[in-house]
Amino acid sequence: GQQLNQSPQSMFIQEGEDVSMNCTSSSIFNTWLWYKQDPGEGPVLLIALYKAGELTSNGRLTAQFGITRKDSFLNISASIPSDVGIYFCAGRARETSGSRLTFGEGTQLTVNP
Amino acid sequence: NAGVTQTPKFRVLKTGQSMTLLCAQDMNHEYMYWYRQDPGMGLRLIHYSVGEGTTAKGEVPDGYNVSRLKKQNFLLGLESAAPSQTSVYFCASSQILGYTFGSGTRLTVV
Repeated sequence: GQQLNQSPQSMFIQEGEDVSMNCTSSSIFNTWLWYKQDPGEGPVLLIALYKAGELTSNGRLTAQFGITRKDSFLNISASIPSDVGIYFCAGRARETSGSRLTFGEGTQLTVNP
Repeated sequence: NAGVTQTPKFRVLKTGQSMTLLCAQDMNHEYMYWYRQDPGMGLRLIHYSVGEGTTAKGEVPDGYNVSRLKKQNFLLGLESAAPSQTSVYFCASSQILGYTFGSGTRLTVV
């Protein structure tokens, strides 16, 4: 089946620093999504990408759909304490039934004030 | 504007007991999903549904059953709970694009 490798698994940073994380896939995806999960809550959609090479921003967050269609990147600029949480990448292949997503294992982000 | 509602939020079961987790969505979404989340393993798909009256197996379906009798509800059943089913369970719904998740059910099987 499809597999997503997300890295890093965890990050410990100081407030104000920039953050980068990425996902790579064993197969081609036609949609990449990035989610954030706060403690005790379900994941919430941050950014959706639909085209190879696409670069999309949402406030301090920027995500890119890799040219090869097998990877995606998420950057967070000038981190703040409320950025703490787990970030998941998710991808969808064109042939997937039921609009199913494959999720990465998550990146646990800790921001020290 | 409730979105996706999961009940219960917490539950402790003894090995061998059964229970049903309820997921309800008010967005008229066609697709619904059940995932489990375990430390270091991300979100794994248990079962999903592409519409009322339909269900299909996901990545880790063993030990679980589901039903979608009404479009807005998706039920996840555990017939005989095992400690390996201790996890956080998330329901999600989707029309075409990104999912909307519920806030989860934390299940402990002792």
